[in-house]
Amino acid sequence: SAVISQKPSRDICQRGTSLTIQCQVDSQVTMMFWYRQQPGQSLTLIATANQGSEATYESGFVIDKFPISRPNLTFSTLTVSNMSPEDSSIYLCSVDISRRGSNEQFFGPGTRLTVL
Amino acid sequence: GENVEQHPSTLSVQEGDSAVIKCTYSDSASNYFPWYKQELGKGPQLIIDIRSNVGEKKDQRIAVTLNKTAKHFSLHITETQPEDSAVYFCAASKGDSWGKLQFGAGTQVVVTP
Repeated sequence: SAVISQKPSRDICQRGTSLTIQCQVDSQVTMMFWYRQQPGQSLTLIATANQGSEATYESGFVIDKFPISRPNLTFSTLTVSNMSPEDSSIYLCSVDISRRGSNEQFFGPGTRLTVL
Repeated sequence: GENVEQHPSTLSVQEGDSAVIKCTYSDSASNYFPWYKQELGKGPQLIIDIRSNVGEKKDQRIAVTLNKTAKHFSLHITETQPEDSAVYFCAASKGDSWGKLQFGAGTQVVVTP
């Protein structure tokens, strides 16, 4: 598996501000993803972070609200822009890794965001 | 798109008993079905997965079964222990959308001593 870290681990932010979340992996990976987990809910894919090109967003998520960077194969950032209380969630990055001839997906510890 | 349903939403078992969580999926093209365990305050941890060319897979006290005809798969935990208490999520994905996991709603498992 991979060691995945996220910064910050949690934050409390004011409405209208933006927060950038970092995801660092201890090995080079081709595919990185960003998920949102609203309180008490399941995980929803926000976007695929593509190295060297624009992220691919899922239905209901747009680049202006969730800009993503992927400057290299070990790092990605997700920005939550112009936050509102509805953005209060856990944001998780994940990586797809080939292991034992098959691909498996591993998650970071998450960033717990509260918007006041 | 894919839709994954998971049941039950909560499951209370006595220590030592078995726990079974069931999921159904809608897209017959799905071919990868992982299960994740999420403890409070942590990210999801991959505990076992199964692919469409296999009907059953076992890893110590955990087993997963897959019925492609019926489009459902299940997680079985035997000899449950208090440390098995967590939220468990099933997920599904398919080859042409590699890595895009569609998650079930989750099952809160409580193992009482």
